[in-house]
Amino acid sequence: LAKTTQPISMDSYEGQEVNITCSHNNIATNDYITWYQQFPSQGPRFIIQGYKTKVTNEVASLFIPADRKSSTLSLPRVSLSDTAVYYCLVGDWMDSSYKLIFGSGTRLLVRP
Amino acid sequence: SQTIHQWPATLVQPVGSPLSLECTVEGTSNPNLYWYRQAAGRGLQLLFYSVGIGQISSEVPQNLSASRPQDRQFILSSKKLLLSDSGFYLCACMMDRTYEQYFGPGTRLTVT
Repeated sequence: LAKTTQPISMDSYEGQEVNITCSHNNIATNDYITWYQQFPSQGPRFIIQGYKTKVTNEVASLFIPADRKSSTLSLPRVSLSDTAVYYCLVGDWMDSSYKLIFGSGTRLLVRP
Repeated sequence: SQTIHQWPATLVQPVGSPLSLECTVEGTSNPNLYWYRQAAGRGLQLLFYSVGIGQISSEVPQNLSASRPQDRQFILSSKKLLLSDSGFYLCACMMDRTYEQYFGPGTRLTVT
């Protein structure tokens, strides 16, 4: 499975756009990129997933360049409630099993 | 949609005592099931995953074991707990060929 590298922490202010970049240099052809959000004492929550180019949903956008060796999670106009740990993962289905390997994530702190 | 139940929510056990954590899933059939452990301030460590009844794959050698006696039941066990087994245990499920993993509320285990 490809390994991912993310910044350990980021700070932002309410109303700003936050971009968290994840590097996955060894991503395989069939790997998808998935982002999760985790609040303290809760399980992670799926945010967004993509394979290439750009994906957008109601909470975030995911930008993936052509070489797919990195991806950027974009959170528009963050609020205090977006303070959480964000995980970037890559992986694919092999033989009906799919293992999500979580790294240390990026701890985002949103200040008033 | 899937709902994952875990119990107990918190547990304090002495070193050397046995452990049994249960996870059940509603709203889906034949899911992939996962056990993760999260130490304080750290990322999630994948412990076990299962693609079907009686099928268990272990990711990390340790004194823990897992079983899947029914399609939507996943059990994490230990015969003798160690101090290092303390942590936040999360059960998760994922449907075949999807990339969104759903997590339960977790069990916080403290080994004293």
